[in-house]
Amino acid sequence: GENVEQHPSTLSVQEGDSAVIKCTYSDSASNYFPWYKQELGKRPQLIIDIRSNVGEKKDQRIAVTLNKTAKHFSLHITETQPEDSAVYFCASLSGAGSYQLTFGKGTKLSVIP
Amino acid sequence: DAGVIQSPRHEVTEMGQEVTLRCKPISGHNSLFWYRQTMMRGLELLIYFNNNVPIDDSGMPEDRFSAKMPNASFSTLKIQPSEPRDSAVYFCASSSRTGVHGYTFGSGTRLTVV
Repeated sequence: GENVEQHPSTLSVQEGDSAVIKCTYSDSASNYFPWYKQELGKRPQLIIDIRSNVGEKKDQRIAVTLNKTAKHFSLHITETQPEDSAVYFCASLSGAGSYQLTFGKGTKLSVIP
Repeated sequence: DAGVIQSPRHEVTEMGQEVTLRCKPISGHNSLFWYRQTMMRGLELLIYFNNNVPIDDSGMPEDRFSAKMPNASFSTLKIQPSEPRDSAVYFCASSSRTGVHGYTFGSGTRLTVV
């Protein structure tokens, strides 16, 4: 089955700096890659996603990039703010009629004011 | 839409007792997923349903865990008997096969077994 590796497990940045979280996946048939943000004590919430026919997608301060050849995708947050502090999860959806997302282990991002 | 609704939000129970967690998916979503989240193991998929049919229950830790989805708007996850190591946050999520494939998670049930 699909395996998703996520790095780093923890990340601390100064407010205003950029943060990058990287994930790799194993199933070359995977075709959908969402990112979730989970604030302390709350549910994971979808913040951005990318499909396999697109190399990059941007939404204000967040962007995702996908390299299908290398089977990795990344989340980029620019101009970080304290409210960006949370745990971020990447995930992948395998092709062939799969319904199941496979999640990475998560990255705890701390933005230091 | 009220989103995915889970109940209860918090449950404290004694070891050996039966625990039932409930989930109402988003109307029109035909896939439902039960996850368990702990610090040590992260988000673990326990079981998922498609069109009310269990598709993959390989993540269910042992026979003490069971899940049902009697109709498109309701699912339960039952633990009997409960043990302290079952303490975790249990999330239910739903998704639709049409449109985006991202899941919508419920608010979770924080289970504490003492």
